Amino acid sequence: GNSVTQMEGPVTLSEEAFLTINCTYTATGYPSLFWYVQYPGEGLQLLLKATKADDKGSNKGFEATYRKETTSFHLEKGSVQVSDSAVYFCALCISNFGNEKLTFGTGTRLTIIP
Amino acid sequence: GAGVSQSPSNKVTEKGKDVELRCDPISGHTALYWYRQSLGQGLEFLIYFQGNSAPDKSGLPSDRFSAERTGGSVSTLTIQRTQQEDSAVYLCASSSRPGPSYNEQFFGPGTRLTVL
Repeated sequence: GNSVTQMEGPVTLSEEAFLTINCTYTATGYPSLFWYVQYPGEGLQLLLKATKADDKGSNKGFEATYRKETTSFHLEKGSVQVSDSAVYFCALCISNFGNEKLTFGTGTRLTIIP
Repeated sequence: GAGVSQSPSNKVTEKGKDVELRCDPISGHTALYWYRQSLGQGLEFLIYFQGNSAPDKSGLPSDRFSAERTGGSVSTLTIQRTQQEDSAVYLCASSSRPGPSYNEQFFGPGTRLTVL
């Protein structure tokens, strides 16, 4: 079956620090990969995605590269801000003109201190 | 435009009672998903609806759980004889008609269910 393993939190960093949240996956088939973010008091929202090997998804200064050889999709940001404090979820789906149910990792809570 | 809405936002119930959770997807979205976010299990898929096709119920944890989608729009998730392990946040998401590439799922704010 499909599964996602991501770095356990919580993670606490100082403002302007470099961020990496690790994510690896197991999938039967060729998945699309995602990072979702849940800000305090808000709903889950898509942060970035990549649909094929070597694709790089990016948004709001965050980046993640689809690495098929290592089955990974690590999230990175060069300089974090207090406003990046949230819970981050790595996810995958097998997209095939039909059910695109997402398989999520357990989530990583990130806190940025000024 | 309006996003996905869910009601109620919070529900507290006693063990053994039935509950109904409602989801209003984005207008025009044909696909609708229910997920559950709980401390023990993380975020997990429950059920998927697409148009008039038979739903994918493969994620429902027991036969106490059921869902329907009326008129291809509003969906109701029903939990019968609730148990304490059903306590979780229930999330609904919708997306546009499936195609050759991933269609972004837009999530509602969730319903927090507490079973006493």
